[in-house]
Amino acid sequence: DIQLTQSPSFLSASVGDRVTITCRASQAISNYLAWYQQKPGTAPKLLIYASFTLQSGVPSRFSGSGSGAEFTLTISSLQPEDFATYYCQQVNSYPLTFGGGTKVEIK
Amino acid sequence: EVQLVESGGGLVQPGGSLRLSCAASGFIFSVNHMTWVRQAPGKGLEWVSVIYSGYNTHYSDSVKGRFTISRDNSKNTLYLQMNSLQTEDTGVYYCARDIVSTNYMDVWGKGTTVTVSS
Repeated sequence: DIQLTQSPSFLSASVGDRVTITCRASQAISNYLAWYQQKPGTAPKLLIYASFTLQSGVPSRFSGSGSGAEFTLTISSLQPEDFATYYCQQVNSYPLTFGGGTKVEIK
Repeated sequence: EVQLVESGGGLVQPGGSLRLSCAASGFIFSVNHMTWVRQAPGKGLEWVSVIYSGYNTHYSDSVKGRFTISRDNSKNTLYLQMNSLQTEDTGVYYCARDIVSTNYMDVWGKGTTVTVSS
């Protein structure tokens, strides 16, 4: 199974900050990676798929990059509504797997 | 409006069974792969199973042999039959629609809660 390791697992930041979250795969997964945002008590929301494709309706301050085994999610200017937990997911091979999550909290 | 609504969760004893349903509306259900994802209390997301538009299926190692995913395109409904339930199966179960011909989940239901406890 492909393991995904996210770092950091916890991040404290201020509104307006640039934030970067990393997701490392235990083996190469080409660009078969997605990023999801989840707020407490709600379902996850797809932000980015195929490593860098922005899902419709997602603000352009979110961006993704990477291929192979290392990927990043960047929020260019953190907004109050961005405080949430973020998960990466690989769809390269079964079983599909998620990273452990990165919780972004207000500093 | 595209919508997924899960039902069927509840309290069940270890070793018991439950059948979850996910009613889809607002899109052509038969075209999309459909997925179940779960989340244990206070934990991260765990992929459970997928059923392709062509009815092929895949499962996580933790549920293989105990859970069965199915779909009824005539009723626009996705199912998850869960047998031999264990306490570790406790959590919120989400159904999700995959973007056509991919495994990226672009529409999610609100989830249904399964509690396995004696």
